[in-house]
Order: sequence, then C-alpha cells, then structure tokens
Amino acid sequence: AQKITQTQPGMFVQEKEAVTLDCTYDTSDPSYGLFWYKQPSSGEMIFLIYQGSYDQQNATEGRYSLNFQKARKSANLVISASQLGDSAMYFCAMREDGVSQGNLIFGKGTKLSVKP
Amino acid sequence: KAGVTQTPRYLIKTRGQQVTLSCSPISGHRSVSWYQQTPGQGLQFLFEYFSETQRNKGNFPGRFSGRQFSNSRSEMNVSTLELGDSALYLCASSRLTGTRSSEQYFGPGTRLTVT
Repeated sequence: AQKITQTQPGMFVQEKEAVTLDCTYDTSDPSYGLFWYKQPSSGEMIFLIYQGSYDQQNATEGRYSLNFQKARKSANLVISASQLGDSAMYFCAMREDGVSQGNLIFGKGTKLSVKP
Repeated sequence: KAGVTQTPRYLIKTRGQQVTLSCSPISGHRSVSWYQQTPGQGLQFLFEYFSETQRNKGNFPGRFSGRQFSNSRSEMNVSTLELGDSALYLCASSRLTGTRSSEQYFGPGTRLTVT
C-alpha cells in the first residue's frame, strides 16, 4: 500500500485564486512529520511547510497553509493568491519512526499550472 | 547562511563506469540524506548519514554506497553504472536525525546521465 497518496497528477488555477493540493497518508506510527516541497523545472526541492503529528494547530508559512486532519490522515496544502511563479511540481512527504527511521517517503507529486 | 551544495550539477557517464557525487550540508547540519529521482520510480530514499555513521539505507543494490566526513560533507558512489541509474540525485541536510528534526533542506541536485 502506498504510504503517501497524491490523487491529482495535474491541476490548473487562475492567477490570484487559492488552490488546494490533496495528500493522504498511511502510517501506524503515533509520531510522524508531514512535509510539502515545491520542485520547479530547475529540479531543486524547495521546502514549503512542515506539520508534526502532535502539533495542535495547522501549520502556516506565508501564502502556504496545511489543512491537517489527523483522523482522516490527510494533509492538504493550500496556496492562497496563486502567482505565476507557483507553477511547479508539488510533493507531499512523510517521515516516521519505525521502519523508515526518519527518512522521507514521497508521493508521486502534483503538477500545478497557474494561468494568467 | 549558505544552502546545501552539490557537485557536479551535471554528469555524463558510460555504462560500467563509476561515479562519485558530493554534497555539502548547511553549516551546523549533521545529517545528510541522499535520494534518487526518476520519472518512473519518483523520489526514493538511498541512505542517510549522521555524524559519519550510516544510519539508514534504502532498498538499493550494493553498487550504491556513501560516506560522510568529519565536517559533515558527504559523498555517494555508484559503481558499474547501468542505464537505469540515470536520474536526478538529491542530497538533503538537517541538524538532527529522525523525527526529532522538522527540517530537511535539499540541494539543487546532480543530474546523472548514463549512456
């Protein structure tokens, strides 16, 4: 079974609108961390936001916020006021103790295209 | 603060050769992890080094190896290259290891092409 599932291979959003990128995860570890990364065509993975499994509040970083629903095992990324520079691949990743001992497990990614 | 640096950025090798990639983590970071990214398999974990010790290893053949030096810089080596080793190799650094660390910053990657 996939540990990280991103069901949207590609998405379009109009500039200045908000967009939600979906991510669901599967783990039996009580302690884990969830990450979102942005990968432009240049290839570099850019860290966007982190949510710990014990964090009480949803994480926010500027225009990025993470809609963390622990019971549903979902960690959706919300980008507000989309900009043309937001066009990129977006990856959801999880880190858990236990089998993976802390390394990142990535989803397949969502390609976001922002239209002017 | 300087970010994670990787050298070289691009590399072309022939089947059967070996290659060494280098990664310098962010100053103060002691953990270095390596990932392979291919269109077919996506992003896959290779191994992690912390304080010069391999802490964790992904499901890759023994042709893939690595090491970490006392200054936290890390190298990974791939011997007897195969066409399927063509990929973007990404290095990530963090201060701590495991779930105690909420940060993992990536370098720009080394794009390896095997012909």
